[in-house]
Order: sequence, then structure tokens, then C-alpha cells
Amino acid sequence: EVQLVESGGGLVQPGGSLRLSCVASGFTFKNYWMSWVRQAPGKGLEWVANIKGDGRQSFCVDSVRGRFTISRDNAKNSLYLQMNSLRAEDTAVYYCARSPKFDFDCWGQGTLVTVSS
Amino acid sequence: QSALTQPASVSGSPGQSITISCTGTNSDVGGYNHVSWYQQYPGKAPKAMISEASDRPSGVSNRFSGSKSGNTASLTISGLQAEDEADYYCSSYTSGSTLYVFGTGTKVTVL
Repeated sequence: EVQLVESGGGLVQPGGSLRLSCVASGFTFKNYWMSWVRQAPGKGLEWVANIKGDGRQSFCVDSVRGRFTISRDNAKNSLYLQMNSLRAEDTAVYYCARSPKFDFDCWGQGTLVTVSS
Repeated sequence: QSALTQPASVSGSPGQSITISCTGTNSDVGGYNHVSWYQQYPGKAPKAMISEASDRPSGVSNRFSGSKSGNTASLTISGLQAEDEADYYCSSYTSGSTLYVFGTGTKVTVL
């Protein structure tokens, strides 16, 4: 069974940093693109970033470029999102998702990030 | 990159069919077949329902079907059931710097 489990969310002050993790199981992690998708409270879904299976290529949405970094450790079946210079508008539930083609076929349960003073 | 446009809400009676539209541009929905649909219950993670505009993953009920014409994609739910009451989002690959854009979301209500 494919499983994705996120962790690392919490309350952080504006300008602060946080590192999210996602541990994958049930599939050959290194063979898949992986993505982070977020959802602000009461709002819709927003794609944040993705990374190729070998970790050599990644992309992100304009609003986080230069502040967020996506990475992965295939030896640990883990995906990461390093978030720096956090803003109030980054407050959201962050989901990791498997991206087999141009979609998101499996999702984790999400981890809540709250940016507030 | 603007969000894809979906109706805020769609409703139907049990057994009826409903269709949710997802309108984009030539840079996203109209330019690629890479449209997918997701079902989300309150407080839960999204679930993939349709990929590549009309492909249904294994395990998804055949009551769900997808299509695309021009800049608009559609999700049809036939034989509407109480368990179909949820939020639905479309998504498309885009040619812009933002690789993927989601729709505004549609709340489906079963009357």
C-alpha cells in the first residue's frame, strides 16, 4: 500500500524557517517525481514545488522561489521542503503527493504550517 | 498564472447526473491533455479521481468520468450518491513558470 506521511509543521513567526518532511512507503520512491501542494485555511489547492526522481531537477511556484527549497533523500525514501523567510500567506496545510505523470495520484495526510506572531 | 475557473457549487438529487466544468486557457487546459480531478472531504487529503482528462485510476467508481473540449474540461458524476458530497478540484499542467494550476474548487451537494 502506498503511504505518504508528512511531519514538521507547526507555529512559526514571520521571517522564520521550518523544514517539512515526507516519508514514503509502498512504492519505489526514486522512480517518481514528487510534489508539495498546499491549501490555505478554507481555500483551494496550490501547487508549490516538485522534484524529479533522481533529485536533479526541480521547479517551484513563483511566490516561493528563493525562499523554499525542495529536496529528497532516496536512501531514506524521504521528501523535504525547506521553508525560509516565511510569511503569513504561507499559512496552510502542506501535502506531499506522488506525481507519476502530470497529476498527483497519492497524497499524504498533510501537515499544518501556521505563520503568525 | 490564474486559477482555473470552476462553479462554486453544483447540486443534484440521488441518482441524477451532474457535470462540473473547469475552464482555463490555451496555456493550460486547452494546450495539454494533462488535466486531472480530485475529490476532497472536509479535513481530509485530496483523492485522485481522473488523470489525463479522462483516465480513471483503478479503484475509482465508473460513475466518475472526465472529458475535455478546447479550454474546458469536465467531470461528470452519474448516479449521484450521498457519499459523492465533497469538494472537487481540477488541475492542469501549464506552459508558464508555474507548472501546475488548480481550479477554484466546486462543492457538490446531494439534495
